[in-house]
Amino acid sequence: DVKVTQSSRYLVKRTGEKVFLECVQDMDHENMFWYRQDPGLGLRLIYFSYDVKMKEKGDIPEGYSVSREKKERFSLILESASTNQTSMYLCASSWNQNEQFFGPGTRLTVL
Amino acid sequence: AQSVTQLDSQVPVFEEAPVELRCNYSSSVSVYLFWYVQYPNQGLQLLLKYLSGSTLVKGINGFEAEFNKSQTSFHLRKPSVHISDTAEYFCAVSKASGTYKYIFGTGTRLKVLA
Repeated sequence: DVKVTQSSRYLVKRTGEKVFLECVQDMDHENMFWYRQDPGLGLRLIYFSYDVKMKEKGDIPEGYSVSREKKERFSLILESASTNQTSMYLCASSWNQNEQFFGPGTRLTVL
Repeated sequence: AQSVTQLDSQVPVFEEAPVELRCNYSSSVSVYLFWYVQYPNQGLQLLLKYLSGSTLVKGINGFEAEFNKSQTSFHLRKPSVHISDTAEYFCAVSKASGTYKYIFGTGTRLKVLA
């Protein structure tokens, strides 16, 4: 079975802190994605990566950056966390368009 | 550009009753369509998908959906729901070629009542 893991289920940070969210997949998928999920807004794509060191902005990249140094790992970085970045963050990976496999999510609270 | 509309934010239904969760999409090109389910405190899990072929698609846990190109819809149905179906359901669309990106709807929270 495909497994996508995220480094933390719950995270509490202070405004202005640098925050790293880590995602690891074990199925050699080329594509990886970071979404944020907010009530009433569904899932919105922040960034995605289609290969090592390759990345592309999604619909809401402002305030975020990403890093993909190895194929299995895709990191989301909040350079200076703000309260409006309090959200559920979901990582996903895929071979192709046919299915994205999701991790369990990280619920981030910025105080 | 593609877009997805899930008009119902919440759907309450009694156990063993049928349910339909509505999804409409907009696109000028051919699309793939998906339904995902999210149980409390979990990530998303694929229920079913339409890529091509038969417009009636069967998925896991007794769910099915019908692709209707003329009405640009992909409604999800189950003839008899269980308490365990209580979850949030997301419809998603992707262009049939040229991208791996999905566009998700805002979700429908299904609450099954005893």
